[in-house]
Amino acid sequence: EPEVTQTPSHQVTQMGQEVILRCVPISNHLYFYWYRQILGQKVEFLVSFYNNEISEKSEIFDDQFSVERPDGSNFTLKIRSTKLEDSAMYFCASNQDYPDTQYFGPGTRLTVL
Amino acid sequence: EDKVVQSPLSLVVHEGDTVTLNCSYEVTNFRSLLWYKQEKKAPTFLFMLTSSGIEKKSGRLSSILDKKELFSILNITATQTGDSAVYLCAVGTGTGNQFYFGTGTSLTVIP
Repeated sequence: EPEVTQTPSHQVTQMGQEVILRCVPISNHLYFYWYRQILGQKVEFLVSFYNNEISEKSEIFDDQFSVERPDGSNFTLKIRSTKLEDSAMYFCASNQDYPDTQYFGPGTRLTVL
Repeated sequence: EDKVVQSPLSLVVHEGDTVTLNCSYEVTNFRSLLWYKQEKKAPTFLFMLTSSGIEKKSGRLSSILDKKELFSILNITATQTGDSAVYLCAVGTGTGNQFYFGTGTSLTVIP
């Protein structure tokens, strides 16, 4: 069964460093998303991406964040200068159509020291 | 402001009980409501609802949407310990593919 994959599963970084989180959505999906979940809190929408551009972004997704689909398979989230409060689980999701079921990847746990 | 509110926040039941989880929402340009089960990892999809009054069913789980009163319920009958998880409700809007999640209902099923 096709699935969304994410790498790495866990990333530890120093405050102020740049990180890139990688996702491979399901191959025939057209809509891509990043979410984050701070430990013990709810899942928060960061950004949606369709047709090679951002469709929507939340207040959390400020100038420190960017997304890219550099090739036909990868979908990346870059945080330019990490802060302690960026520590969270980051989930990538995709769906084929909208509205449609979103499939989540296993997540990347980001720890900022 | 909270756009998606789930209740109760947590629930402890015994195996075999039936539970009803609630999700109310207030968003513009509603497109869909999704239910997910989250154990110690990523949310896994349960149901997607777009039309009022049509029950979706999968085994012991069922869900229905009321677009007039802006809520949905998720029913689990004959609960099992494997149903223990956080159940998330998410609402998708038509303006740019944005999804709003509730805080979830933590369900614990005791043998």
